[in-house]
Amino acid sequence: EAGVAQSPRYKIIEKRQSVAFWCNPISGHATLYWYQQILGQGPKLLIQFQNNGVVDDSQLPKDRFSAERLKGVDSTLKIQPAKLEDSAVYLCASSSEVGLLSYNEQFFGPGTRLTVL
Amino acid sequence: EDKVVQSPLSLVVHEGDTVTLNCSYEVTNFRSLLWYKQEKKAPTFLFMLTSSGIEKKSGRLSSILDKKELFSILNITATQTGDSAVYLCAASSNDYKLSFGAGTTVTVRA
Repeated sequence: EAGVAQSPRYKIIEKRQSVAFWCNPISGHATLYWYQQILGQGPKLLIQFQNNGVVDDSQLPKDRFSAERLKGVDSTLKIQPAKLEDSAVYLCASSSEVGLLSYNEQFFGPGTRLTVL
Repeated sequence: EDKVVQSPLSLVVHEGDTVTLNCSYEVTNFRSLLWYKQEKKAPTFLFMLTSSGIEKKSGRLSSILDKKELFSILNITATQTGDSAVYLCAASSNDYKLSFGAGTTVTVRA
């Protein structure tokens, strides 16, 4: 089974520029997550989608970050304008439909390493 | 706010040594505790623990959860250089959100 795909793998931009990341989850996975992992820290959830609807975006800095999953499959995360503190690895993960009685493992993509200069 | 704290932050051992990694948590509506291994790429799933006192094992790795004291440990016996990685602990709440700790960096020297 193909894993979670992300692109680009690396991106270097100047502050105040815009950037977009793309994620294609495992086929059939209804739930998609975007995490931000700053160097030396654990991943922090930015946004969770269930199909094409947002389940949780409480930690997404909405003044500069946006995400969409229009057809309930692949997703894009955008930062506009970028700040120095946005330098991090952006991880995408997916899981099959979250059920009430069981945990569905999250599978992570390879991440996009963003450097903001 | 949900909190997950891991210790130590890093450690260096020699091949064959045993390591013990600690994870404490404070999570509203706690459901389960998960361990991940992260090499220079995406985290990969190791264990999920939901019940206190029941050890889970996979080869040289084992883990146990104490829901009364709100902590978990991950043990690695007979360490190998391939065990070098960051080990992440995450607590899941009833809505399946994961709160991650900062990780423990394990370096195994030959």
